[in-house]
Amino acid sequence: KAGVTQTPRYLIKTRGQQVTLSCSPISGHRSVSWYQQTPGQGLQFLFEYFSETQRNKGNFPGRFSGRQFSNSRSEMNVSTLELGDSALYLCASSGRAGTGELFFGEGSRLTVL
Amino acid sequence: TQLLEQSPQFLSIQEGENLTVYCNSSSVFSSLQWYRQEPGEGPVLLVTVVTGGEVKKLKRLTFQFGDARKDSSLHITAAQPGDTGLYLCAGALTGNNAGNMLTFGGGTRLMVKP
Repeated sequence: KAGVTQTPRYLIKTRGQQVTLSCSPISGHRSVSWYQQTPGQGLQFLFEYFSETQRNKGNFPGRFSGRQFSNSRSEMNVSTLELGDSALYLCASSGRAGTGELFFGEGSRLTVL
Repeated sequence: TQLLEQSPQFLSIQEGENLTVYCNSSSVFSSLQWYRQEPGEGPVLLVTVVTGGEVKKLKRLTFQFGDARKDSSLHITAAQPGDTGLYLCAGALTGNNAGNMLTFGGGTRLMVKP
């Protein structure tokens, strides 16, 4: 069974630009969550989607948004990038609701210059 | 202040030693997970504990969930270099439509030297 696939793996942007990250969950998983990982703050929850609906949202500004498609693939977008948005963005899928049992991808490492 | 406090933050030990990592909170969790993350990869789920007082064993790793479901520990017996990595505890809070929204601890970076 293929794991969670995230693209791109690495990207460099400049302040003010926007970025879109993509995530393909494990086949059959309908829940997709996004997390931001930084050395200072650790892993922080961004949002979760289930059956194309945002089920939960973390405490991030509106510049961070996401969506899920009918095939469960998900994208997240960050607009008007700031230096502090430099981080590893991790996508995770789950086949069971409410278990906290997540399968993570390898992440997309974003550097904002 | 992290909702889930992990200690120690860093641990460097020799192969064969035992160690315990702690994960503490003032909040009650409906479930708690332990993950391990290696450089360049995403976290990998090790275990889920759900019931207060629950103990689970995974080879040389023993996980315990506190009776009040506010804390957890991970004990590794006879650590090996392959155990090196970042250990993360994570919990789903009670009373929310938590789905799979997890709160993560700050992590314990373990290095096991041969």
